[in-house]
Amino acid sequence: DIQMTQSPSTLSASIGDRVTITCRASQSISSWLAWYQQKSGKAPKFLIYKASSLESGVPSRFSGSGSGTEFTLTISSLQPDDFATYYCQQYDSYPITFGQGTKLEIK
Amino acid sequence: EVHLMESGGVVVQPGGSLRLSCAASGFTFDDYTMHWVRQSPGKGLEWVSLITWDGGSTYYAGSVKGRFTISRDNSKNSLYLQMNSLRTEDTALYYCAKDRTAMAELDYWGRGTLVTVSS
Repeated sequence: DIQMTQSPSTLSASIGDRVTITCRASQSISSWLAWYQQKSGKAPKFLIYKASSLESGVPSRFSGSGSGTEFTLTISSLQPDDFATYYCQQYDSYPITFGQGTKLEIK
Repeated sequence: EVHLMESGGVVVQPGGSLRLSCAASGFTFDDYTMHWVRQSPGKGLEWVSLITWDGGSTYYAGSVKGRFTISRDNSKNSLYLQMNSLRTEDTALYYCAKDRTAMAELDYWGRGTLVTVSS
């Protein structure tokens, strides 16, 4: 199985900050990576696919990059609505696997 | 508007069985691969299973293979998860999710149904 490791596990930041979350795969997954946002008590929301393509309706302050084994999710200017937990997910091969999550907290 | 609603979650004893359902609306259900994903209390997301649009192919996580069976009824716009030989570690919120491309890009999720395995 492909292991996905996110860092950091927790990130404290302020409104307006630029933040970056890293996701590493245990083997190459090309660009078959998605990002999700989950707020407390809610279902995950689909943000980014194929490592860097923004889902329709997702604010442009979100961006993704990377290929192979290392990927990043960047939020260019944090807004109050962005404080949540973020997960990466590989879909290069089965079983599909998720990272352990990064909790983005208000500093 | 896409809507997915899971049901069937209850408290069940270890070794017991349970069938979850997911009712879909707002899209052409039989065009899409569907998934189950679970989340243990306070933990991360764990993919469980998928089924292709016609039910012709299914895949499972190693942790549930041989115990869980995914199925669908396209005439009823419904997805199912038959869960047998339940273990305490199966306790989780179970989500159904729509796959936009049959490549595991999960663009819509239900609100989940809670399964608790406890004696």
